[in-house]
Amino acid sequence: QKEVEQNSGPLSVPEGAIASLNCTYSDRVSQSFFWYRQYSGKSPELIMSIYSNGDKEDGRFTAQLNKASQYVSLLIRDSQPSDSATYLCGRGSSNTGKLIFGQGTTLQVKP
Amino acid sequence: AAGVIQSPRHLIKEKRETATLKCYPIPRHDTVYWYQQGPGQDPQFLISFYEKMQSDKGSIPDRFSAQQFSDYHSELNMSSLELGDSALYFCASTRVAGVANEQFFGPGTRLTVL
Repeated sequence: QKEVEQNSGPLSVPEGAIASLNCTYSDRVSQSFFWYRQYSGKSPELIMSIYSNGDKEDGRFTAQLNKASQYVSLLIRDSQPSDSATYLCGRGSSNTGKLIFGQGTTLQVKP
Repeated sequence: AAGVIQSPRHLIKEKRETATLKCYPIPRHDTVYWYQQGPGQDPQFLISFYEKMQSDKGSIPDRFSAQQFSDYHSELNMSSLELGDSALYFCASTRVAGVANEQFFGPGTRLTVL
């Protein structure tokens, strides 16, 4: 079992809809979580970081963290075709900060 | 804003050759991480440096070595290249005193071993 689990998808949503991406992790001591967007052949781009239980909003993006359930999610409101990419969920190592990623969820936003 | 710089962007080598990948972190970032991403895979952590000292080591083959220099740039040296080393290699940087662990990735080096 991977330390960070994501549904690989593809997740297909119509333009303008809300896309919901989910991630679970196994290490209970994890404190920092990150969502990266990666277009094919490109580098991961940081979208959101979250460290505390609850919601964190930034523009069209909302990250949610539930440490009791070991669950992280990313909501994308008003999805656009340009949001079509692979979304990587990562947890940061508490001592050195290395990132451990899930396998990524492919999102397809259809016009 | 300045980003992480990696060179070269593309590299083609033959089996058993050596390769050197370079990474220049964002100014004032003191920590560098190297990741390897194979086709259809998520990035896998290789090695990291903080203030020029190795801080963590992941699934990095013994054929690979790396270091961080006084100007904080880092180099990943790969010897006796194998076909399976073909991948995207990313460098990411962060500032330890900044927001916890927010890493910013460079554009990557695509290594092809023939």
